[in-house]
Amino acid sequence: GDSVTQMEGPVTLSEEAFLTINCTYTATGYPSLFWYVQYPGEGLQLLLKATKADDKGSNKGFEATYRKETTSFHLEKGSVQVSDSAVYFCAPNQAGTALIFGKGTTLSVSS
Amino acid sequence: DAGVTQSPTHLIKTRGQQVTLRCSPKSGHDTVSWYQQALGQGPQFIFQYYEEEERQRGNFPDRFSGHQFPNYSSELNVNALLLGDSALYLCASSSLNQNTEAFFGQGTRLTVV
Repeated sequence: GDSVTQMEGPVTLSEEAFLTINCTYTATGYPSLFWYVQYPGEGLQLLLKATKADDKGSNKGFEATYRKETTSFHLEKGSVQVSDSAVYFCAPNQAGTALIFGKGTTLSVSS
Repeated sequence: DAGVTQSPTHLIKTRGQQVTLRCSPKSGHDTVSWYQQALGQGPQFIFQYYEEEERQRGNFPDRFSGHQFPNYSSELNVNALLLGDSALYLCASSSLNQNTEAFFGQGTRLTVV
């Protein structure tokens, strides 16, 4: 079945640092790819998505590009803020099926 | 639009008891999926309901059952609770026909003692 691998956390950065969170997936066919974010004590919120190869999803300064050749969807942000501290989940999704999540990557940003 | 709403937000149960969690999907959505998220882990898929039928199921025992009502709301029932069932239970709604992304509720924190 489909699966996802994210870099181990926690990731600890200072404010305004550059962020990369690696994500690779295995899937049959061509899934859509999502990044969800979970703030402490809350549910998951969709951060960004890409539905086909070479698509770039972006939101709130975060970006990720659908790389079919490397089956990757790495999350990047040029300048993180303290408010970005959260757990980030990468998830491939075949249409009509359930999202598959990895363990997530905890980001901690200090001022 | 209230988004996805779950109730209750927290509850405490004793081993062996039964629990029912509820979810109202986002307006316009017809599909509800349930996930279990243990502390420090990613959400694990339990099952998905569409047109009042269980459409897809993850690797969870039969103690976990569900229901979807004509108004698309859903319940998750867990029987014979174990300590290991303590987790955050997340409901996600989507529109199967429109292939929309999933929207999540805030979750129900279940503690089994």
